[in-house]
Amino acid sequence: GDSVTQMQGQVTLSEDDFLFINCTYSTTWYPTLFWYVQYPGEGPQLLLKVTTANNKGISRGFEATYDKGTTSFHLQKASVQESDSAVYYCVLADNNAGAKLTFGGGTRLTVRP
Amino acid sequence: NSKVIQTPRYLVKGQGQKAKMRCIPEKGHPVVFWYQQNKNNEFKFLINFQNQEVLQQIDMTEKRFSAECPSNSPCSLEIQSSEAGDSALYLCASSSEVFFGKGTRLTVV
Repeated sequence: GDSVTQMQGQVTLSEDDFLFINCTYSTTWYPTLFWYVQYPGEGPQLLLKVTTANNKGISRGFEATYDKGTTSFHLQKASVQESDSAVYYCVLADNNAGAKLTFGGGTRLTVRP
Repeated sequence: NSKVIQTPRYLVKGQGQKAKMRCIPEKGHPVVFWYQQNKNNEFKFLINFQNQEVLQQIDMTEKRFSAECPSNSPCSLEIQSSEAGDSALYLCASSSEVFFGKGTRLTVV
């Protein structure tokens, strides 16, 4: 079956540090890939989405490249802020509106002021 | 910002009791999903609907859960006989970008 792996359960950084969150996936087809962010007491919010291999998604300073060769979709940000503290989920789905999402285990980011 | 509305935000039930939660999806979004997020932040897909019809559901949903998405009424997810293991955050989401509501946190005591 489909799966998404986030190796880092927790990441702790200081403000202005570089962020890298690892994500790899396994599936038999060409999925749409997402990053969601979840703040305490909220549902997950879409951060960015990429539907085509080798394309890059960019949003709010975050970016991720859909790498079909390495089946990866790592999340990066050049300079994190305290307000970026949240749980980040790498997610995949089939390319149709009714497809269910497959979530990674999540990475809790804590940014110290 | 997502306009998926879920009620209630918190629900406390005793074991064996029914637990019902509701969701109003974003207007114009034809597909509605329900997910369960446990205390370890693991997500489990439960069921999805397109225009009031079930597209997919898992075994657990077939047996103890009932869900519907009638036209012109909120969607609902009901657990017929709550168990302690059902304690979780229940999330409703609507397409096309899959926007989530804030969830209903169910605690079964």
